[in-house]
Amino acid sequence: KQEVTQIPAALSVPEGENLVLNCSFTDSAIYNLQWFRQDPGKGLTSLLLIQSSQREQTSGRLNASLDKSSGRSTLYIAASQPGDSATYLCAVIGNAGKSTFGDGTTLTVKP
Amino acid sequence: KAGVTQTPRYLIKTRGQQVTLSCSPISGHRSVSWYQQTPGQGLQFLFEYFSETQRNKGNFPGRFSGRQFSNSRSEMNVSTLELGDSALYLCASSLTGDILHFGPGTRLTVT
Repeated sequence: KQEVTQIPAALSVPEGENLVLNCSFTDSAIYNLQWFRQDPGKGLTSLLLIQSSQREQTSGRLNASLDKSSGRSTLYIAASQPGDSATYLCAVIGNAGKSTFGDGTTLTVKP
Repeated sequence: KAGVTQTPRYLIKTRGQQVTLSCSPISGHRSVSWYQQTPGQGLQFLFEYFSETQRNKGNFPGRFSGRQFSNSRSEMNVSTLELGDSALYLCASSLTGDILHFGPGTRLTVT
């Protein structure tokens, strides 16, 4: 059974800092790994997708890496802004559409 | 392309009643998966449908069921509602189940 853990559970940083969010998973037989952002009471917005054959993906100030052998992914956010405040979730996508989510990291960026 | 739509957005039901939620995927997507999100349990996978067939199912009681129609729209039904079923129900669409696009969710409150 796939288990996904995200550390830290919460993070508070001053504006402008670079930060790293961590996601670990127990079963390396994954199809894709997807990072999402969720604002309070809202749905999930996809940030980055890393296919199992890839090592990293970048979009603007975001960079996600994947190390299947160690069961880890990181989401790097550069030059954080107050608008980045949200909960960040990683999802490990297996075969036949089954996805397992971590509990998320709640990020607060202080002006 | 229009995004994933979910109806209704908010719902209040009484314990013991049943409820049906609807999800319309992005045009061309054949996979629809459902998730329950609660503060205590996080985001949990309910089931996934692809071309009208359930391919995968999470660990939920039989009161939770779903189906998918030939146009890929999906419905989720919960019978004999319990207070603990109060949650945000999210659906995600995907071409084949590999990249998830989420809808805004349906907030269900059971009183």
